[in-house]
Amino acid sequence: EAGVTQFPSHSVIEKGQTVTLRCDPISGHDNLYWYRRVMGKEIKFLLHFVKESKQDESGMPNNRFLAERTGGTYSTLKVQPAELEDSGVYFCASSQDRGLGSYNEQFFGPGTRLTVL
Amino acid sequence: AQKVTQAQTEISVVEKEDVTLDCVYETRDTTYYLFWYKQPPSGELVFLIRRNSFDEQNEISGRYSWNFQKSTSSFNFTITASQVVDSAVYFCALSDRSNDYKLSFGAGTTVTVRA
Repeated sequence: EAGVTQFPSHSVIEKGQTVTLRCDPISGHDNLYWYRRVMGKEIKFLLHFVKESKQDESGMPNNRFLAERTGGTYSTLKVQPAELEDSGVYFCASSQDRGLGSYNEQFFGPGTRLTVL
Repeated sequence: AQKVTQAQTEISVVEKEDVTLDCVYETRDTTYYLFWYKQPPSGELVFLIRRNSFDEQNEISGRYSWNFQKSTSSFNFTITASQVVDSAVYFCALSDRSNDYKLSFGAGTTVTVRA
C-alpha cells in the first residue's frame, strides 16, 4: 500500500509568487490534514478535511493560504502571494474514518520544504 | 494554553552519551495518545512511538526508551549510547478527543551528537 505522497519535495520561490503544494493521501483515507513547521518553531496544525469538506481550518494563518480537496481525493495548498515567513516544511497526513469521536492514526507524508526568497 | 511542553530547546552531547528529552503534556481527556517524532536534517517526519493513556508501561526499542508517567503528565524519551545519526529535532505530540484528535506538537528539541 502506497503511503502519503507530497509534491514537490522542495520548492524555492520569490516573495510575491504563488506556489501550490499537493498531497495524495493513502487510498481510502477520508481524513486529510495539513501541518507546517516554520523555521525553528513547532509543527502547527493548519487544517483538516473530511472527504472534500473542511472540518477544521482554525490553523490557517491568513487568507493568502487556500486549501482544496476536490472529489475527496488529493489536496492542494496554495500560497498566494508567498511571503518570507511562509518558508518552512509543510506536512500532509491522512487517516481512516472510524466514526465520530474515534481515534484515527495519522500517517505523514515526507513533507514539502518551501523556501521563499 | 500550550498542550505540549518541551522545555529543552537544544541538547548537545558527545557520541555514546545518553540523552533524555523531556515532554510534559496537558489534557482534560481521559483518553488520549502521545507520540514522539524525529525530524532529521533531510526534513521528513519519522514516527517513533505512540502510547495511549491507558498503557503506562515503559517501552524500550533498541537504544530508545520511553517513560510515561500520568501522575506527572510526562512522556520522556531517552536515547542510550547516542550516535551521530541521532542528530535531529525531536517532537513530542498529543492527540486527544477534545481537540478532535488533531496532533498538538511541542516546540521540539534539537539534539546534536558530536563524534
